[in-house]
Amino acid sequence: GESVGLHLPTLSVQEGDNSIINCAYSNSASDYFIWYKQESGKGPQFIIDIRSNMDKRQGQRVTVLLNKTVKHLSLQIAATQPGDSAVYFCAERFGDTDKLIFGTGTRLQVFP
Amino acid sequence: KAGVTQTPRYLIKTRGQQVTLSCSPISGHRSVSWYQQTPGQGLQFLFEYFSETQRNKGNFPGRFSGRQFSNSRSEMNVSTLELGDSALYLCASSPQTGGIGNTEAFFGQGTRLTVV
Repeated sequence: GESVGLHLPTLSVQEGDNSIINCAYSNSASDYFIWYKQESGKGPQFIIDIRSNMDKRQGQRVTVLLNKTVKHLSLQIAATQPGDSAVYFCAERFGDTDKLIFGTGTRLQVFP
Repeated sequence: KAGVTQTPRYLIKTRGQQVTLSCSPISGHRSVSWYQQTPGQGLQFLFEYFSETQRNKGNFPGRFSGRQFSNSRSEMNVSTLELGDSALYLCASSPQTGGIGNTEAFFGQGTRLTVV
């Protein structure tokens, strides 16, 4: 499949453990923060988003935390599974457009 | 429901040539965005089209252009190709209506362009 990124930070976790992926953003004017998952050979896939006036949002096995004071976003994955292995990107969205500004990405590797 | 379709999947071009990439959004989606993905620069926004109008443009040279047709299908064109244009070009569509609120962007699998 296509190479997504050769110099990405990597997080290695054991199957069943919880994973925490972090992201720092720079623009305080962002309206939404979004997490995407990209598997080899595929385009990014939406995981979860959070509006800028919230600090926590939960989905199925995933939780996103937003700390506007330090401009930090995190994605928590509970009970990580082999199928979670992928590159994860945070993204910022402004206003009512679809322009997304992506972070550099983190590669998540899940081992048995 | 068919996803976002990008054609071709793979393309090899020579420096100086031009290339046109195509994107068919999910039926009913009016917003189409394009991104360039490279190992060095990551995912970078190229442009966004909504109802045949370019709504946003990223920081790319004028060699990169795009358009959207009345059926929401979009094309992007790169002229005078350079080696550095080698990348995965991704298209995303959303049911964005121009109002407040986040709408999920659905990405295609991309077109892998190699410039030699």
